[in-house]
This record gives sequence, structure tokens and C-alpha cells, in this order.
Amino acid sequence: GAVVSQHPSWVICKSGTSVKIECRSLDFQATTMFWYRQFPKQSLMLMATSNEGSKATYEQGVEKDKFLINHASLTLSTLTVTSAHPEDSSFYICSAYGDSANEKLFFGSGTQLSVL
Amino acid sequence: GDSVTQMEGPVTLSEEAFLTINCTYTATGYPSLFWYVQYPGEGLQLLLKATKADDKGSNKGFEATYRKETTSFHLEKGSVQVSDSAVYFCAHRRGAAGNKLTFGGGTRVLVKP
Repeated sequence: GAVVSQHPSWVICKSGTSVKIECRSLDFQATTMFWYRQFPKQSLMLMATSNEGSKATYEQGVEKDKFLINHASLTLSTLTVTSAHPEDSSFYICSAYGDSANEKLFFGSGTQLSVL
Repeated sequence: GDSVTQMEGPVTLSEEAFLTINCTYTATGYPSLFWYVQYPGEGLQLLLKATKADDKGSNKGFEATYRKETTSFHLEKGSVQVSDSAVYFCAHRRGAAGNKLTFGGGTRVLVKP
């Protein structure tokens, strides 16, 4: 089946630094990618939807200048957490959708971000 | 607004026990309904889905029926195995296949031998 690779699986950074998370579709072209955030024991909250070659659409309450999303190609989307603070510590999950993936949605295995 | 509510876990069961995870939703129109499963260290995987009222989704011994009258999509399995230990997420999607999903909070299931 289709595979979505998310990297890194965990990262620890200092407050004030930026962290980039990559999401790659390995064997299909992802026309749309979704970025979610999950707090412990809580649901996945959609942060933004990105379509290849266009600006991401952010959900209400998500700071677009803090969470930069780039979907420059049909196989790669990146989420950059800029000037990270401890409250940004969370589990981030990407998912990818593409017509060539039989119209299915596939998820990455997530990135645990800890900001010290 | 749209939402999905599922029972809180963790749910601890013995092998071969019956499993039910309740899920209800609020949405305008007729959303598609999904159950995803997340095994330890892995990404979410689609377990089953139903796209219209009274449809039954089934996979790996799991079943869920789209009940429009009660806005529910409860997940059931008659005899669980240790390998079913995972976190289960109920979700719905309005409209086309490329639209966003709205998830419930997830239910952790632990099956003991």
C-alpha cells in the first residue's frame, strides 16, 4: 500500500529555535497534505491543509507565521515551527491524499516535538 | 460545528472478549464515517469506513454500521486478540475524498492474554 514517511520521529530543541518536519509520499503524488497536532489523550486537531503549489489554508486559531507550511512538490510537504516555545511541544502528524493513491488518505507516523 | 465524540479509554480486555467503542458525531449533511487504528510506533491506518446511512463497514473482524437516526458509528469486534491492542480513532468527512477529516479523541485498547 501507499506509504507516507514523516521525519524526524522525535526532536528536542531549545526555546527560540526553529524546527522543520518533513512529510513525504513515497509512491504516489500527494495533491493535498494535512497537518495535525495531537495533545496527550486528546484528539487530532487539524492545523492546516496544503495543496501542491499554493498557499496552505490554516484552521482558525493556528498562527500561520509560527507554523510555516510548504508544499513545493507533489511528494513533499514541510512544517516549520518557528521560534518554538514549550507550549509548542506536541505530537505532529501529517497525512497525504492523492488521486493516484486510489483516493485514499495515508498518514505519517508522527513527530514528537519537545521544546525545552 | 462538526465534531466526533468517542468513549474515553483506556479499555482493557482479555483475549477473546467482545469489544465495543462508541462513537457519535455532529455534522451537517451526510458525512462519510471512518475508523482509523494506530498501532504502537506507527501512523494511523484506515480500518473501515461507511459512506451512507445503514452501510456497514467491516475489516479484520471489526464492524461498524452508519446509523443516521442516532448519528452513531460504533465499532465492534466479537473476539479480540492481543494484536488488536492499539488506539482507535473515529472520524468523519464531509464531501469529497480530498476533504479534511474531523477526529474523535481516540480510545486506547489493551488486550491482555
